[in-house]
Amino acid sequence: EPEVTQTPSHQVTQMGQEVILRCVPISNHLYFYWYRQILGQKVEFLVSFYNNEISEKSEIFDDQFSVERPDGSNFTLKIRSTKLEDSAMYFCASSVEGNSPLHFGNGTRLTVT
Amino acid sequence: DAKTTQPTSMDCAEGRAANLPCNHSTISGNEYVYWYRQIHSQGPQYIIHGLKNNETNEMASLIITEDRKSSTLILPHATLRDTAVYYCIVRDPNRDDKIIFGKGTRLHILP
Repeated sequence: EPEVTQTPSHQVTQMGQEVILRCVPISNHLYFYWYRQILGQKVEFLVSFYNNEISEKSEIFDDQFSVERPDGSNFTLKIRSTKLEDSAMYFCASSVEGNSPLHFGNGTRLTVT
Repeated sequence: DAKTTQPTSMDCAEGRAANLPCNHSTISGNEYVYWYRQIHSQGPQYIIHGLKNNETNEMASLIITEDRKSSTLILPHATLRDTAVYYCIVRDPNRDDKIIFGKGTRLHILP
C-alpha cells in the first residue's frame, strides 16, 4: 500500500538555526498538509497546500514557517529560525482530493536545543 | 471548540470486540464522521468514515445512530496492536479539507 514518507525521522538543531523537514506524499495525491504534535499534547493543524499554494494555515503557522513543493514528488516544511518551543513531532499528510481521507506519514521528531 | 465528545480512556480484553463511543450532538447535515487512530510514536492512521449509513471495512465497523448525534466504532476482535488513541472527528469534506484532532480515547487492549 502506498505510504507518505518523511525524512529525517529525528532532527536535532540549535535554537536560531533553519531546518527543513521533508515529505514525499503518495504519488497521485493533490492535497498536502503539515501537522505538529508537542509531546503529550494534541495533533495540531499547521497548513494545507493545493495547486502550488497555501489553501489554509493556522495561527501557529507564522512568518517563521514556509512550505514548498520544489518538484513533483517532495513537499517541505521550513522553519527559518527555530525556537525551543518548536520541538515537536511534525507530521506530513496527503489526500487524493479535498474531500478524501488524509493519509499521514510517521513524522519527524524535531528537537531544538 | 470540540465538536465531539469521547471518553478519555477505555480497556478491552484481547480477542473481544472493542466498542468506542462518540457523541456529536451538533453535527450538521453535510458533516461526516471520521475515525483515526494513533499508535504510539506513529502518525495518525485513517480507519473509516460515514455520513448516515453504517459502514464496514477490513479494519472496523462504524455504527451511526439514526439521529446522527452519536456513533460507535467497533473493532470486532481486538488485538494488542490495536492499543492506541482513537479520534472521532466530524468534518464537512466539501467545505473543509483539513481535519482537526481532539484528545481522543486512549484504548488499552489487555492480554
